[in-house]
Amino acid sequence: DTEVTQTPKHLVMGMTNKKSLKCEQHMGHRAMYWYKQKAKKPPELMFVYSYEKLSINESVPSRFSPECPNSSLLNLHLHALQPEDSALYLCASSQVQGTDTQYFGPGTRLTVL
Amino acid sequence: AQRVTQPEKLLSVFKGAPVELKCNYSYSGSPELFWYVQYSRQRLQLLLRHISRESIKGFTADLNKGETSFHLKKPFAQEEDSAMYYCALRVQGGKLIFGQGTELSVKP
Repeated sequence: DTEVTQTPKHLVMGMTNKKSLKCEQHMGHRAMYWYKQKAKKPPELMFVYSYEKLSINESVPSRFSPECPNSSLLNLHLHALQPEDSALYLCASSQVQGTDTQYFGPGTRLTVL
Repeated sequence: AQRVTQPEKLLSVFKGAPVELKCNYSYSGSPELFWYVQYSRQRLQLLLRHISRESIKGFTADLNKGETSFHLKKPFAQEEDSAMYYCALRVQGGKLIFGQGTELSVKP
């Protein structure tokens, strides 16, 4: 398996809902990343996990809560989001943090009503 | 400051014409630069990295430290090259900083 997979593909949620995005890779990569991409804009880094530990948090609001339960899985828990949080959320992974090519998943398109 | 600039939002060429997508960067350290491509309804994928100095799908890019540039070139554009192209700079910690992207449209 040489891909990063993300579920769900699409998600619509209200501002009071709690939902989670899931990312999975079976390439043995030990670094995983969350990016946010607004329409017609480049991806912006949110979080980096290295060996299942949070390594970088780009001052992301606490309504986004990442979790890395094991080396293959990365979750992003969402709570009390705002409409401006609507975007494509991309997951990526690399062999290790800092020195290797990042491979991206297809993304989850999130709409907050 | 760490910054990647892609001056053209949209580049439109005819099939068979040469293509150059511009990328300039600002970084005080030793730069690691990449070109990523996003075809319609597909995931972001790596096209080139400056370290490997290879040609992928006929595209090449040379790092010019003097001009702080990493322009992407192809001598003869094909219709299937139409996509969004992002230049990216990897900085400390592995963070990728992307340019604003250039949409390449290759007309028949």
